[in-house]
Amino acid sequence: GAGVSQSPSNKVTEKGKDVELRCDPISGHTALYWYRQSLGQGLEFLIYFQGNSAPDKSGLPSDRFSAERTGGSVSTLTIQRTQQEDSAVYLCASSLVLWGGGTPNTGELFFGEGSRLTVL
Amino acid sequence: QQQVKQSPQSLIVQKGGISIINCAYENTAFDYFPWYQQFPGKGPALLIAIRPDVSEKKEGRFTISFNKSAKQFSLHIMDSQPGDSATYFCAAPRGLGSSNTGKLIFGQGTTLQVKP
Repeated sequence: GAGVSQSPSNKVTEKGKDVELRCDPISGHTALYWYRQSLGQGLEFLIYFQGNSAPDKSGLPSDRFSAERTGGSVSTLTIQRTQQEDSAVYLCASSLVLWGGGTPNTGELFFGEGSRLTVL
Repeated sequence: QQQVKQSPQSLIVQKGGISIINCAYENTAFDYFPWYQQFPGKGPALLIAIRPDVSEKKEGRFTISFNKSAKQFSLHIMDSQPGDSATYFCAAPRGLGSSNTGKLIFGQGTTLQVKP
């Protein structure tokens, strides 16, 4: 497909288990984001990958959260030892970053439909 | 940490009315101000965006007004329709000048309900 694909769309797990969420961005997009959206809440930034630069992990809420992006394409968000407060929709987005005058210009973010995580 | 503050949190408007959502930002180096629209069960999608070299941008019924001196920008939805009922997010790039990596931070969102 042409859009951002996320899997699984729904995941129910027990407290203490590890989960992996996958994001397949739009081909050619150099930037990839993970956001978390709790019920009725805004978009909480988690992590940002841009090209070959070191990822910006400043939004990860604890060391139980990690993410990687292999080959500049597919990304996996891993949550270890899940807690009930981790229950949320995890959204992935990708974009082009346009360089003008030596500084990056943010392109349109294309979001997937999210992975809904429920921790029992 | 740079923030984007959005208000109101929720908004109810009658069909045909004007919906207005406001955002305030801190970083004067921001150079791109988009609004995203999210329907239930879907990811957000870009609605309209503005760069600070203009004070207003209009696309159909949607207008962004930008006030650089006040560090504020707003979304106006004219002739609001029930189909406009959604959650709206403002956003701005995160960073300072040359350290801008192109990353976006979002406001807290405004849930709009347009009554028929």
